[in-house]
Formats: sequence, structure tokens, C-alpha cells
Amino acid sequence: EPEVTQTPSHQVTQMGQEVILRCVPISNHLYFYWYRQILGQKVEFLVSFYNNEISEKSEIFDDQFSVERPDGSNFTLKIRSTKLEDSAMYFCASSADRDSSVDTQYFGPGTRLTVL
Amino acid sequence: KQEVTQIPAALSVPEGENLVLNCSFTDSAIYNLQWFRQDPGKGLTSLLLIQSSQREQTSGRLNASLDKSSGRSTLYIAASQPGDSATYLCAVTQGGKLIFGQGTELSVKP
Repeated sequence: EPEVTQTPSHQVTQMGQEVILRCVPISNHLYFYWYRQILGQKVEFLVSFYNNEISEKSEIFDDQFSVERPDGSNFTLKIRSTKLEDSAMYFCASSADRDSSVDTQYFGPGTRLTVL
Repeated sequence: KQEVTQIPAALSVPEGENLVLNCSFTDSAIYNLQWFRQDPGKGLTSLLLIQSSQREQTSGRLNASLDKSSGRSTLYIAASQPGDSATYLCAVTQGGKLIFGQGTELSVKP
């Protein structure tokens, strides 16, 4: 069964450093998402991406965040200058459709980001 | 703004018991509602998806109901097993994104 993959599974970085989290969505999906979950808190939407541009972003997704689909398979989340509060589990998801009552988003296993 | 709430926050039951997890949402304009399972430190596994026009969905020992007008959903787990121990998340699809509740942490004791 096709699945969303994410690398690395765990990333440790120093405050102020740039990190890139990588995702390979399911191959025939058109919509891509990033969510994050701070330890003990809700899973929160960050951004959605379609047709090589951002469809929607949350208040969390400020100028230090960016997303890119550099080739036909990868989808990346870049955090330019990490802060302690960026420590969280970051989930990538993809879907074939959007705003569909029958469609679901498929989630990757997550990347745990620890900022020291 | 859509808010999703789950109660209880944690639940501990003996093996074999039937149980109900609750989810409520404030805005009924949703496309669907999903229940996910999350094991510690792991990703999200979709268990059931209920379309906005549906009232319930079943998969094995799991049954989820949806009452859109009252903004409520329940996840019923029959004959619980220790392997069911996990956090169960409820999420609604609205505006192209999933909005999650905080989850119910379930522990099933042998």
C-alpha cells in the first residue's frame, strides 16, 4: 500500500540554525500538507500546497517557514532560523483531493525536531 | 473558528470492556470527520472517515457515529484489547485542512 514517508525521523539542531524536513507524498496525490504537534498539545495545521504554490497557511506559518516541491516527488518544509518553541513533531500529509467528503489525508510517520 | 474537543482526556478500562470516546465540534460546516489512532511517538493512522451526509461508519470492532446538527461524534470500541491502547484523535475537514481535537489517551489493562 502506498504511504507517505518522511526523513529524518529525528533532527536535533541548535537554536538559530536552518533545518529542512523532507517528505515524499503518495505518488498520485496532488495536495500536500504540513502539520505539527508540540508535545502534549493538539496537532495543528501549518500549510497546504497545490500546483506548486501555497493554498492556505495558518498564523503559525510565518516568514521563517517555507515549503517547496523541488522535484516531482519531494515536498520540503524549511525553518530558516529555529527557535526553542519550534521543537515539535512535524507531520507531512497528502491527499488526492481537497474539500471532499470522501477523501482523506494520509499522514507520514513524522519528524521529531528538537531545538537546543 | 472551528474548535474540536474530546472527552475524556484519558480513559483506563479492563480488557474486554466496551467503551465510548466522545468528540464535539463547534461549526457544523464540515466535509467529513475522521478518527485517528496515534501510538506514542508515532504518526497518525486513519481508523474511520464519516462523510458529512452519513450517520455512522463501522470497521471491525470500531463504530463511529456523527450527528452534524449537534456537533457530536462518538467512537465505540467493542470488546477492548490491550493492543487498543493508544491516543485516539478526532478531526474534522474544513476549508481544506484537518482540525484536530486534543485526543483521548486510552489504556486497556489485561
